[in-house]
Amino acid sequence: EPEVTQTPSHQVTQMGQEVILRCVPISNHLYFYWYRQILGQKVEFLVSFYNNEISEKSEIFDDQFSVERPDGSNFTLKIRSTKLEDSAMYFCASRLTSDEQYFGPGTRLTVT
Amino acid sequence: AQTVTQSQPEMSVQEAETVTLSCTYDTSESDYYLFWYKQPPSRQMILVIRQEAYKQQNATENRFSVNFQKAAKSFSLKISDSQLGDAAMYFCQIYGGSQGNLIFGKGTKLSVKP
Repeated sequence: EPEVTQTPSHQVTQMGQEVILRCVPISNHLYFYWYRQILGQKVEFLVSFYNNEISEKSEIFDDQFSVERPDGSNFTLKIRSTKLEDSAMYFCASRLTSDEQYFGPGTRLTVT
Repeated sequence: AQTVTQSQPEMSVQEAETVTLSCTYDTSESDYYLFWYKQPPSRQMILVIRQEAYKQQNATENRFSVNFQKAAKSFSLKISDSQLGDAAMYFCQIYGGSQGNLIFGKGTKLSVKP
C-alpha cells in the first residue's frame, strides 16, 4: 500500500535556527497538508497546498512558516526562526480527491 | 465553519469488553466525510473507520463500528472485544468543504485494562 513518508523522524534544533521538514506524499496525490500536534493537545491544521500554491492556511501559519514542492515529489515545511513553542509533532498528509487523507508518520521537532 | 467535539478526554475499558467513544460535529456542508483515527504512542495517525455522510448505513470495520446519527450530528465509535493494542488516542475528524480541510476533535485517550 502506498504511504506518505516524512524525514527526519526527529529533529532537534536550537531556538532561532531554521528547520526544514520533508515529506514525500503519495505519488499521484494532488492535495497536500501540514498539521502539527503539540504534546498532549489536539492536532492542528497548518496549511493546505494544491496546484503549486497554498489554498488555505491557519492563523498558526504566520510569516515564519513556508511550504514548497520543489521537485514534484517532495513537500517541505520550513520554519525560518524556530521558537520553543514550535516544539511539536508535525504531520504531513496527502490525498487524491475526495478521500481520506493519508498521514505520514510525523516528524518530532524539539526546539531547545 | 466546521467543528468537532469529543466530550470524553479519557475512557477506560476492560479487555474483551465494549466501549463507545462519542463525537459530535457541526458543519454547514451537505457533503462531508467522518473519520475516526487512532494515534498510538508512536504518534502516527492511523485511519480506523470512515463514514460518508450521504450513506445511512453505519460503517463497520471488524471490531470497530460507528453509530452515525446525521440529524443529531453525532458520530460515535464502538469498539467491541477490546484488546490491549486498542489503547491509544482516538481522534474524530470531519472532512469536507470546498478546500477539503480536516477538522479534528481534541481526542479521547482510551486505556484498556487487562
